[in-house]
Amino acid sequence: AQSVTQLDSHVSVSEGTPVLLRCNYSSSYSPSLFWYVQHPNKGLQLLLKYTSAATLVKGINGFEAEFKKSETSFHLTKPSAHMSDAAEYFCVVSDVGGNNNDMRFGAGTRLTVKP
Amino acid sequence: KAGVTQTPRYLIKTRGQQVTLSCSPISGHRSVSWYQQTPGQGLQFLFEYFSETQRNKGNFPGRFSGRQFSNSRSEMNVSTLELGDSALYLCASSLQTGGYNEQFFGPGTRLTVL
Repeated sequence: AQSVTQLDSHVSVSEGTPVLLRCNYSSSYSPSLFWYVQHPNKGLQLLLKYTSAATLVKGINGFEAEFKKSETSFHLTKPSAHMSDAAEYFCVVSDVGGNNNDMRFGAGTRLTVKP
Repeated sequence: KAGVTQTPRYLIKTRGQQVTLSCSPISGHRSVSWYQQTPGQGLQFLFEYFSETQRNKGNFPGRFSGRQFSNSRSEMNVSTLELGDSALYLCASSLQTGGYNEQFFGPGTRLTVL
């Protein structure tokens, strides 16, 4: 069965500095990996996804993530944080090849951006 | 294209009552999944429907049930409500079933059980 661990429950950065949100996963099959963002009182929005193509995935709003199979990691990065990036971020894993196609969500990382 | 819509957005019920939540997926999407989000448990998968059939089910009691109609709209029902059922219930739709498909989420229904 698949699982995902977000290593930081809360990350705080200053505007204009880099963002790193860490995610480790486990999967019995070939995983699909996603990062979603949730702003207060809103639904989740997909930032990017990995589905066994290029290991460096570029998403919206300047975010990108690198799939590292040897480290079972899928960390989310952004070179320069913006105030509007403050939100909750979820790393998600899904087993493509398994019978159960439900997605496993990480506990979330709350990103705070200081002016 | 209109996004995923959920009704109602807010709901207050008392213990023992039942509730029905509704989700309209993006036009053309045939898969609808439901999730429960709470501060303590985070986001948990409830079930997925595809072409009017339940494809997957998470680890929730039988009080939680759902269905999907021929137009892909879905409803979720919770019977005999408990205080612990207070949560944000999110619906997500995708074109097809399968873990590699992007899911589009609705704004959620916030259920409060008193």
